[in-house]
Amino acid sequence: AQTVTQSQPEMSVQEAETVTLSCTYDTSESDYYLFWYKQPPSRQMILVIRQEAYKQQNATENRFSVNFQKAAKSFSLKISDSQLGDAAMYFCAYVSVINTGTASKLTFGTGTRLQVTL
Amino acid sequence: KAGVTQTPRYLIKTRGQQVTLSCSPISGHRSVSWYQQTPGQGLQFLFEYFSETQRNKGNFPGRFSGRQFSNSRSEMNVSTLELGDSALYLCASSWTGLPNTEAFFGQGTRLTVV
Repeated sequence: AQTVTQSQPEMSVQEAETVTLSCTYDTSESDYYLFWYKQPPSRQMILVIRQEAYKQQNATENRFSVNFQKAAKSFSLKISDSQLGDAAMYFCAYVSVINTGTASKLTFGTGTRLQVTL
Repeated sequence: KAGVTQTPRYLIKTRGQQVTLSCSPISGHRSVSWYQQTPGQGLQFLFEYFSETQRNKGNFPGRFSGRQFSNSRSEMNVSTLELGDSALYLCASSWTGLPNTEAFFGQGTRLTVV
């Protein structure tokens, strides 16, 4: 079974600084997607960034970028120019695309709570 | 456009009762997935429905069931509630349920079993 590990329960960053959240995963499959989701106090999960395993280029979305190391099974999220609105729980997630039956099931890590200070 | 709507937002039930939660997906989305979020177990996949058919199921007991209607709205039902069923239940909708299309989450239903 696939597992996703986030080893940092909490992180803190000063406004305008850069922070990196770590995620490792375990899988024997070669075709999959990885995600970072943000869950603010409103509880609604919001997709931050998505990475397809077969793409070597790291995904970027504005201030958010990932460092995808397929061989090491590592998928870290870098937030640049941190803003107060970035404070939230961040979840790393994995999904297999072996078939449509598995492709809808997200496996989440335990989350990292990010605090942003002035 | 309207987002994913979950009702009710909060619910308090007694052990042994049953409960039904509702999820209205974004218009046009045919896939609805359900997740349970607890402090101890984190986020766990319950099941996914696509075009009224259950396409994927997580490792939950048979007390947890769901269905999807022709308008893609989905309900999940938990029978014979236990204290451990207290959780935030999230649903997500997408066009296809595949990871190349974004899944949009609702704000969840907070279920408390007493």
